[in-house]
Amino acid sequence: QSALAQPRSVSGSPGQSVTISCTGTYSDVGGYNYVSWYQQHPGKAPRLMIYDVNKRPSGVPDRFSGSKSGNTASLTISGLQADDEADYYCCSYADNFSYVFGTGTTVTVL
Amino acid sequence: EVQLVESGGGVVQPGGSLRLACAASGFTFDDYAMFWVRQAPGKGLDWVSLIGGDGRNTYYADSVKGRFNISKDNSRNFLYLQMNSLRTEDTALYYCAKRSASGTGLDFWGQGTLVTVSS
Repeated sequence: QSALAQPRSVSGSPGQSVTISCTGTYSDVGGYNYVSWYQQHPGKAPRLMIYDVNKRPSGVPDRFSGSKSGNTASLTISGLQADDEADYYCCSYADNFSYVFGTGTTVTVL
Repeated sequence: EVQLVESGGGVVQPGGSLRLACAASGFTFDDYAMFWVRQAPGKGLDWVSLIGGDGRNTYYADSVKGRFNISKDNSRNFLYLQMNSLRTEDTALYYCAKRSASGTGLDFWGQGTLVTVSS
């Protein structure tokens, strides 16, 4: 159950797009369409942004989108806004009824 | 309105035990799988355990298997995590979270309860 690999940080200017990758193996990301993404502001609980690879819960702006190719999932934030500055974590269902989170990525709005 | 409120955290010595509780309201508790997720200070999220809606099926991360026990009281709408043989590396903020009805995401989270394992 090794953590999924994410870049430590990404940054962009307001209005730009950023993409965060989440790389696992065929036992987790590659084997199931059960990747979710969470946003976490400092001192706050995580918030669900994307589930089942590319589905958005109600209330999440359509600027947030998810995708997957092979063992790598991605979260794209379009039209970057100041409030998007936060930590983002991917999470995947994995073999043997387990879950694994990613290492986390800090998004900085320049 | 869905609410999840954790309690039971505190300071405990290595080898000790602690029982966390999560009070749930605003949804039909026995319809949903529930999770415990932890976050060590300054670190990332770490899945700990999950339990099915009816409380019969339980699953654990390798790091806690054999030491932690998750349970659910559907009559009182409480989720529990019994933690035994605690180690310093178990020090973390422990969140309870509810799985979404429409997928595998965790759509509601509590604010967490802090567990500190230290001598």
